[in-house]
Amino acid sequence: DAKTTQPNSMESNEEEPVHLPCNHSTISGTDYIHWYRQLPSQGPEYVIHGLTSNVNNRMASLAIAEDRKSSTLILHRATLRDAAVYYCIPGSGNTGKLIFGQGTTLQVKP
Amino acid sequence: EAQVTQNPRYLITVTGKKLTVTCSQNMNHEYMSWYRQDPGLGLRQIYYSMNVEVTDKGDVPEGYKVSRKEKRNFPLILESPSPNQTSLYFCASSFGTGNVYEQYFGPGTRLTVT
Repeated sequence: DAKTTQPNSMESNEEEPVHLPCNHSTISGTDYIHWYRQLPSQGPEYVIHGLTSNVNNRMASLAIAEDRKSSTLILHRATLRDAAVYYCIPGSGNTGKLIFGQGTTLQVKP
Repeated sequence: EAQVTQNPRYLITVTGKKLTVTCSQNMNHEYMSWYRQDPGLGLRQIYYSMNVEVTDKGDVPEGYKVSRKEKRNFPLILESPSPNQTSLYFCASSFGTGNVYEQYFGPGTRLTVT
């Protein structure tokens, strides 16, 4: 299983962009990079995933380094509702298992 | 509304009293899974199921059983609960596409075993 490194916590101001980094230097060539988040008192929520190229959806953008050893989740305009723990998860293999590390706790200030 | 539901949401029980936590999804997903979340340990997978009648162990299966008789339901059974099974439990479901699993999680069941 690939190991990930994320900052323990980050802060942002409301309506400003947020860049959440993740290092996954041991990722295998076929592993997708998933991002999930967990809002207080809720279950994890899927955010985005990608393999090699940058990805966008209605929630966020995912920028993947060319060597795939790191990625950055981009929230274009943070809202108070985006305050959560964000998990970077490389790969789920053929069992669908998501390995949740400690994640990054994002605080959004009004 | 597409969702994963769990019942009960909160449960306090005593050691040894069998209990079942139900999980149901209305998205026709083949894949379902159970996780437990503990402080400092994060979320760990207990069991998963690729489809009806197909189940397999995750990382922490001891003390738990599951069954998958219908596509929509994946109950978690604790035959003889012990205090170390006090935890927050999440059920998840997904379409499995290759090695990508966009998983939908339930709201959680907080279990306390005294």
